Amino acid sequence: GQNIDQPTEMTATEGAIVQINCTYQTSGFNGLFWYQQHAGEAPTFLSYNVLDGLEEKGRFSSFLSRSKGYSYLLLKELQMKDSASYLCAVSGGYNKLIFGAGTRLAVHP
Amino acid sequence: GAVVSQHPSWVICKSGTSVKIECRSLDFQATTMFWYRQFPKQSLMLMATSNEGSKATYEQGVEKDKFLINHASLTLSTLTVTSAHPEDSSFYICSATGERTEAFFGQGTRLTVV
Repeated sequence: GQNIDQPTEMTATEGAIVQINCTYQTSGFNGLFWYQQHAGEAPTFLSYNVLDGLEEKGRFSSFLSRSKGYSYLLLKELQMKDSASYLCAVSGGYNKLIFGAGTRLAVHP
Repeated sequence: GAVVSQHPSWVICKSGTSVKIECRSLDFQATTMFWYRQFPKQSLMLMATSNEGSKATYEQGVEKDKFLINHASLTLSTLTVTSAHPEDSSFYICSATGERTEAFFGQGTRLTVV
C-alpha cells in the first residue's frame, strides 16, 4: 500500500528554525515534493527532491533519504506568514502525486 | 512558474443539479491533469488522473459516473459533478504537469451543495 506520514501540528517561535519530517512507503518513486498551503487556498510549490541529499532554497531546505523513505523540510528565520499547512507529496507512477495529511504549523511571536 | 487557472473559484448549487469546473493551463501544454478534493483540515485526496485525448483513470472509491472528467485538449480539463448532493460539498483542486516534473495547481473551487 501507500503511506505518507507527517506530524499533524507543530508550533514554533518567530525567528526560530523548525523541521517538519515526512516518512513514506509508496509503490514507485519519481521524487518527493513539499507544498505550502494557506487555509482556503491552493498549494504552492516549495521544493522537489529526487536524489538523496539536501536542497537549499533561501529560508527553506529539503532533505531526502530514499533508502530510509524519509524527508524533512527545514524552515529558517521563521516569519508569522509561514503559519500554514505543509504538505509532503510523493510522485509515483505517471507523475501521480500522493499527499500526506499535512502538518499545520503555527508561528507565534 | 507556470500558471493553471481554475474556474469558478466558488459555486453554490441546488441538490440534484450538475456543476462543471474548468482547469486550464495558460502558458504550457499539460499532458496530464489531476483532480483532487480536500475536506476541511484534511489533505488532498487524488480523485482521478486525466491524459489528453484518453479516458480518465479514477482512484479507488471514486464514482466515475458521478465525477465526469474530460481532457479534450492539452490546455483544458473539466470536472463535472453530476446530481450533486450536500456530501459532495468540498474544495476541488486541479493540477497539471507538462515537461517539468513539478505539478502546478489551480486556485481551487469551493463547491457548496444546498
